[in-house]
Amino acid sequence: IQLTQSPSSLSASVGDRVTITCRASQGISSYLAWYQQEPGKAPKLLISGASTLQSGVPSKFSGSGSATDFTLTISSLQPEDFVTYYCQQHHSYPITFGQGTRLEIK
Amino acid sequence: QVQLQESGPGLVKPWETLSLTCTVSGDSINSDYWSWIRQPPGRGLEYIGYVYYSGTTYYNPSLKSRVTISVATSKNQFSLKVTSVTAADTAVYYCARGLYPGSGTDIIDLWGQGTLVTVSP
Repeated sequence: IQLTQSPSSLSASVGDRVTITCRASQGISSYLAWYQQEPGKAPKLLISGASTLQSGVPSKFSGSGSATDFTLTISSLQPEDFVTYYCQQHHSYPITFGQGTRLEIK
Repeated sequence: QVQLQESGPGLVKPWETLSLTCTVSGDSINSDYWSWIRQPPGRGLEYIGYVYYSGTTYYNPSLKSRVTISVATSKNQFSLKVTSVTAADTAVYYCARGLYPGSGTDIIDLWGQGTLVTVSP
């Protein structure tokens, strides 16, 4: 299952709200996760099941979607949010990831 | 607090075998799914495969012919071997834990810090 994220990079300002999109090559119900990766660090799970926030993850992160189209929304951007985000399907093996979206400070 | 730590050589010669071990602390390896994922420098994430605590394995078809993942429950460790490596196998290799939610695949919820393996003469 191929996942296509858009945009590949995104410029925004502190305090903004942004939305990242992930499209699956076939229907995956709600089996989609979102990860955040800081430079030089391992990815961190933010959301699974398309919209279930992981324990300890701030409510400024939210996910939605089903079937083939999904979104990650981040509100009230802070400096630490300007990193890279990946979607990942947990519908079937092999697990696959989107190519990533790099969030940059404008 | 559950932690995963990768260990192994950081440099491997072309056509030799890459071997890594992941040591799990704070959790028993006698449950859940234990995976390997890699990330070439400056690029995205590639799923390699998993071993279940029982020893059942799954490998990504893109690497299946060269990959072996095994578990050593007595040591709370699991391992990765990739044979006949080339420069294309240069990457940060992560070990990770997956929790099965009841349907679909496991959900990878916890990662090691990653270890860079470079393939070079």
